[in-house]
Amino acid sequence: KNQVEQSPQSLIILEGKNCTLQCNYTVSPFSNLRWYKQDTGRGPVSLTIMTFSENTKSNGRYTATLDADTKQSSLHITASQLSDSASYICVVSARNSGYALNFGKGTSLLVTP
Amino acid sequence: GAVVSQHPSWVICKSGTSVKIECRSLDFQATTMFWYRQFPKQSLMLMATSNEGSKATYEQGVEKDKFLINHASLTLSTLTVTSAHPEDSSFYICSAGRAGQLVGELFFGEGSRLTVL
Repeated sequence: KNQVEQSPQSLIILEGKNCTLQCNYTVSPFSNLRWYKQDTGRGPVSLTIMTFSENTKSNGRYTATLDADTKQSSLHITASQLSDSASYICVVSARNSGYALNFGKGTSLLVTP
Repeated sequence: GAVVSQHPSWVICKSGTSVKIECRSLDFQATTMFWYRQFPKQSLMLMATSNEGSKATYEQGVEKDKFLINHASLTLSTLTVTSAHPEDSSFYICSAGRAGQLVGELFFGEGSRLTVL
């Protein structure tokens, strides 16, 4: 069964600090992994998308890593800002599955002053 | 980047009435659109896959007669919640895939919050 597990479930950090969110998956055969940011009451916004051959991708202060061998990904947020408070969702696609997505439950991040 | 627009962003209706939510891809053609439901502090749950010009494919447990989906053009899909009840209150989100995209990038709408009284 294709599964995506995210940790921690929630996280509180001080503004300016860094943090790392984890995503483990069992989706096979692997096609791509995406990280989305979802603000409360809004739709998800894509941060990064990585295929099998990519092991790191950055988008501003967000850096995602992928280890396809261990089936793990992380999202590192540098110099956090209050606006980073949101839910971060890891989504994994299987090859030849078209647009079928496997969603993680998300990590809820709260950045405090 | 590609934009997907949902309307309305929020709606309140009485129990027993029907509500229609629109999902539009504003600057690209979407052969496939998806409808999700999200309860508070939960992940997105796929309800159905909508393909332009054909019947939608519903996920197990989703009543197709209650959640009517129409994908009449390459830029518009609609979700109609028929005879809505309070338990249908939720955040409904659509996403669209750009036609011809190999990796399958999906763009999400802003969501529509439905409250059934």
